Amino acid sequence: DTAVSQTPKYLVTQMGNDKSIKCEQNLGHDTMYWYKQDSKKFLKIMFSYNNKELIINETVPNRFSPKSPDKAHLNLHINSLELGDSAVYFCASSQAGRPEQYFGPGTRLTVT
Amino acid sequence: GNSVTQMEGPVTLSEEAFLTINCTYTATGYPSLFWYVQYPGEGLQLLLKATKADDKGSNKGFEATYRKETTSFHLEKGSVQVSDSAVYFCALSVNGNTGKLIFGQGTTLQVKP
Repeated sequence: DTAVSQTPKYLVTQMGNDKSIKCEQNLGHDTMYWYKQDSKKFLKIMFSYNNKELIINETVPNRFSPKSPDKAHLNLHINSLELGDSAVYFCASSQAGRPEQYFGPGTRLTVT
Repeated sequence: GNSVTQMEGPVTLSEEAFLTINCTYTATGYPSLFWYVQYPGEGLQLLLKATKADDKGSNKGFEATYRKETTSFHLEKGSVQVSDSAVYFCALSVNGNTGKLIFGQGTTLQVKP
């Protein structure tokens, strides 16, 4: 059973398009996150949701909009894609009272 | 602010060699510390963790000790294998279960037969 899953695994699209990445966790966790990994493999938090409520928003452009329909899902919608959005996006989740986070397999976004 | 610094890579070792990857941190409060591993083309896997000073995290032959006096959390393994080749990330969290992870820049380990 996959604990944290993401779809799609690869996403190739053109500048200006709008795309979404989906994340689901079956661990029963109530906090979920999005991280961005750049071409140098540096990882940085983008958003965090706890019980469907946004709790972290790290100076991410307004073109990025997370949505959490329930505490098992956290989707990322990106409007007007730019070349600089090319990266690997990781979803993660954590359990109440525990600091460690569990990551999905990543979505490699390539904007051409 | 909070930050993590790892030794520069890549690190290249022969099989069965001893591994050390240095990690130091700066944090307000009392962080939890982690090592994550990323195998080629895969996501991040939690390798080990320590949540308070002097704790030792261990898993799969890897160890790291939370040293508050030196603000360090160095990763060690006594005998590496080719299958250990990956990128290793040191990370900290200062706000409990809803806190973001702050990562170091990653260290690439290549183990040759």
